[in-house]
Amino acid sequence: NAGVTQTPKFQVLKTGQSMTLQCAQDMNHNSMYWYRQDPGMGLRLIYYSASEGTTDKGEVPNGYNVSRLNKREFSLRLESAAPSQTSVYFCASRDPGPPNEKLFFGSGTQLSVL
Amino acid sequence: SQKIEQNSEALNIQEGKTATLTCNYTNYSPAYLQWYRQDPGRGPVFLLLIRENEKEKRKERLKVTFDTTLKQSLFHITASQPADSATYLCALEASGTYKYIFGTGTRLKVLA
Repeated sequence: NAGVTQTPKFQVLKTGQSMTLQCAQDMNHNSMYWYRQDPGMGLRLIYYSASEGTTDKGEVPNGYNVSRLNKREFSLRLESAAPSQTSVYFCASRDPGPPNEKLFFGSGTQLSVL
Repeated sequence: SQKIEQNSEALNIQEGKTATLTCNYTNYSPAYLQWYRQDPGRGPVFLLLIRENEKEKRKERLKVTFDTTLKQSLFHITASQPADSATYLCALEASGTYKYIFGTGTRLKVLA
């Protein structure tokens, strides 16, 4: 029972390089999310996809793009990485319940941009 | 502006005592509020959800209250144990948008 799987777990990039963070869920959830977590800032929403075929901006979308490839997969792309994008990235999917609406999170990707 | 705030200072308490964590929000009208636990190096894990028409919700040693007038939720851990040491996050869905916003989290340390 995998839940939400993120790859890679760690990545080091140089400024200006691009990369894609992959996320897949096997719980048949409609909604998926990308967050970043920085010390003292909590989890901040980058983009989300309420359902297959839709994506919307969150609180901090600048510098990122997303693709909802199918119901299972939601990827996050950094086109030209900047040091300010050094962070821990979490993907999540939403269980609509009942009884409880809740998010399931992956184990995170630690990204360093030098 | 819309905000969801938690006490960013760490909370240290003695084993066996009750820990109380606070979550305040402004300019949201959530239908429910959630609490998550996060251990170092791991993703958050869902603990409890309380709806706007519920005053209190319990699960084992956990209790959550929700006051929509004060725009505040309190999260209690009774008979706390060192294994309860973690960061606790509150979250809400911005009014039926599927957009989940999190507080900054409160780090709890239970001392043996």
